[in-house]
Amino acid sequence: AQKVTQAQTEISVVEKEDVTLDCVYETRDTTYYLFWYKQPPSGELVFLIRRNSFDEQNEISGRYSWNFQKSTSSFNFTITASQVVDSAVYFCALSAPGAGNMLTFGGGTRLMVKP
Amino acid sequence: DVKVTQSSRYLVKRTGEKVFLECVQDMDHENMFWYRQDPGLGLRLIYFSYDVKMKEKGDIPEGYSVSREKKERFSLILESASTNQTSMYLCASTPGGQNNQPQHFGDGTRLSIL
Repeated sequence: AQKVTQAQTEISVVEKEDVTLDCVYETRDTTYYLFWYKQPPSGELVFLIRRNSFDEQNEISGRYSWNFQKSTSSFNFTITASQVVDSAVYFCALSAPGAGNMLTFGGGTRLMVKP
Repeated sequence: DVKVTQSSRYLVKRTGEKVFLECVQDMDHENMFWYRQDPGLGLRLIYFSYDVKMKEKGDIPEGYSVSREKKERFSLILESASTNQTSMYLCASTPGGQNNQPQHFGDGTRLSIL
């Protein structure tokens, strides 16, 4: 069975601080995909990144960066110089080939960025 | 841009009613999904569908059914609504195949059962 754990339920930071959202996963598959989604107050989940299990390179996109470490089964997400618009609930998710694109989600981390 | 449209943003129903939540996508996607979202539990899969008239149970199908008569539309049905089905419901879609493409989500329907 697959499982995704986001241990931080809520994080509060002040604008311009850096913040890291943790994600730990469990799977018996050797090939799998990891995702991060953002859910702003409007409710729609917005796709941020997909990473496959064979690609352990870290990724940076503007103020966002992702650290994938297979050895610790973690896929952490860092926001540099946070802004108020980053306030949202962030979900980490896992899928495996043959699962019909089904996703297993973590419980989500609510990030509040205060001005 | 893929558009997934859920018919209602907010819905209030009474216990015992039959409730229909509608979802339409405009990108000819084969796969469609229904989730419910509860605080601390993330999103949990209720049902999904690979194709017209096909459906598969997810992790929490009890008390729900689905209908997919047309490719673009996937309906979630609460046969006899109960208060523990008060939740946020999210619909999603992806292209067919095992390509693990990102799911595209609707805005969600916040359902209250009184």
